[in-house]
Amino acid sequence: RKEVEQDPGPFNVPEGATVAFNCTYSNSASQSFFWYRQDCRKEPKLLMSVYSSGNEDGRFTAQLNRASQYISLLIRDSKLSDSATYLCVVNSAGKSTFGDGTTLTVKP
Amino acid sequence: DVKVTQSSRYLVKRTGEKVFLECVQDMDHENMFWYRQDPGLGLRLIYFSYDVKMKEKGDIPEGYSVSREKKERFSLILESASTNQTSMYLCASRTARVAREETQYFGPGTRLLVL
Repeated sequence: RKEVEQDPGPFNVPEGATVAFNCTYSNSASQSFFWYRQDCRKEPKLLMSVYSSGNEDGRFTAQLNRASQYISLLIRDSKLSDSATYLCVVNSAGKSTFGDGTTLTVKP
Repeated sequence: DVKVTQSSRYLVKRTGEKVFLECVQDMDHENMFWYRQDPGLGLRLIYFSYDVKMKEKGDIPEGYSVSREKKERFSLILESASTNQTSMYLCASRTARVAREETQYFGPGTRLLVL
């Protein structure tokens, strides 16, 4: 079993839709959590950190559930420019473990 | 803005060649990492370094070595390139070993093709 698991998708949604991704992790001692975005043939870039209390950045909301060991990313009012692969990242003891990514395609 | 640069965007080498991939960061970050990314396998950690002259093996170090002589520079070396090392190589740096906001910043990647 992988340390960090994501539904690979692809998720194909129309513009304006709300879409949610989940990511589960196996190490209960994990300390910090992030969502990265990776465009085709580009490097991953930090989208947002994930805090226990949940956090929002515009149309993006990230949540952490330590008891169930998962993090989520919610995108509201999807735009064409949101099309990308979204990677969850889990840090523990200084080591970062990346999920394989969930691919989102937003269509007109 | 953090800047992480990699020496080449695209590289074509022959089997058996020695290959050097260079990575430089300009933010005085202590930690640096080398990953490879392959379809269906995600990002896999090859080597990392917490500080100058320090290096530690990641999950897939076989066939690779690294060098960190200066804080800003982290080199990945393929001693004898093989076709199964054809991949996208990503370098990353990070500011702190243990901290709440320990995000990694990636370079643009090097697409290596080994023939």
